[in-house]
Amino acid sequence: KAGVTQTPRYLIKTRGQQVTLSCSPISGHRSVSWYQQTPGQGLQFLFEYFSETQRNKGNFPGRFSGRQFSNSRSEMNVSTLELGDSALYLCASSLASGGTDTQYFGPGTRLTVL
Amino acid sequence: AQSVTQLGSHVSVSEGALVLLRCNYSSSVPPYLFWYVQYPNQGLQLLLKYTSAATLVKGINGFEAEFKKSETSFHLTKPSAHMSDAAEYFCAVILPGSGNLIFGKGTKLSVKP
Repeated sequence: KAGVTQTPRYLIKTRGQQVTLSCSPISGHRSVSWYQQTPGQGLQFLFEYFSETQRNKGNFPGRFSGRQFSNSRSEMNVSTLELGDSALYLCASSLASGGTDTQYFGPGTRLTVL
Repeated sequence: AQSVTQLGSHVSVSEGALVLLRCNYSSSVPPYLFWYVQYPNQGLQLLLKYTSAATLVKGINGFEAEFKKSETSFHLTKPSAHMSDAAEYFCAVILPGSGNLIFGKGTKLSVKP
C-alpha cells in the first residue's frame, strides 16, 4: 500500500504571500491531520479533517486553514505568510477520527518564508 | 490538559549498550501514549503505542516501552543499540477523541561505534 504523500516537498515563499500544501492519505484512510514542526516550538497540531469536516483544531491563527475532498485528499492553506511560518508541515492519515487509530505520517513539506 | 515531558534533549550511547529514553506524561484521564522516530529529512514513524491493554508494549526494531501509571511514565528502551537507531525520538499523548497528538520536545539519540 502506498504511504502518505505530500506535495510539494520544498517551498520558498516571501512574506505576505499565501501557500497551499497538499496531502494524499493512505488508501482507505478518511482522517487527515496536519502538524507544524519548528525547532523552537516542536511538533504542534494544526487541525484534523474527517469525511470533509474539520473535527478538531489546534491553537493556530485563522491564517491557517484546511479542507478535505471527497477522496480524502486534504489541502492546507496559509495566507499572509510570516517569517515564523517557516517550518516542516507534516500530515498524517488514519482510518478513524479522534487520534486513537495509528496516525501514519508523510515526509512533510518544508516551507521557507523569506 | 495533557502534556509530555521528555528528559534529555540529547542521549548518547555506545553500540550494543542499553537505550533508555525517558518520557513522563500528564493527563486527567487515561491517555493513549505513543513513541515515534524521525530520521533526518523524513516524517515520523510509529515505534509503538499504548492503548490501555498490556502495560508492556513491544514495538518495531526491538524497542519496547512500559506504561507505569503510578510514575506517569512511558520510557522507551532497547537492550542493544545499533548504529541505525541514531535518530530523533518523540513521545506523544492523546486524549481519545480529541484528535490532537501532543508531542514532547524530542530526544536525539546518537550511537557511538
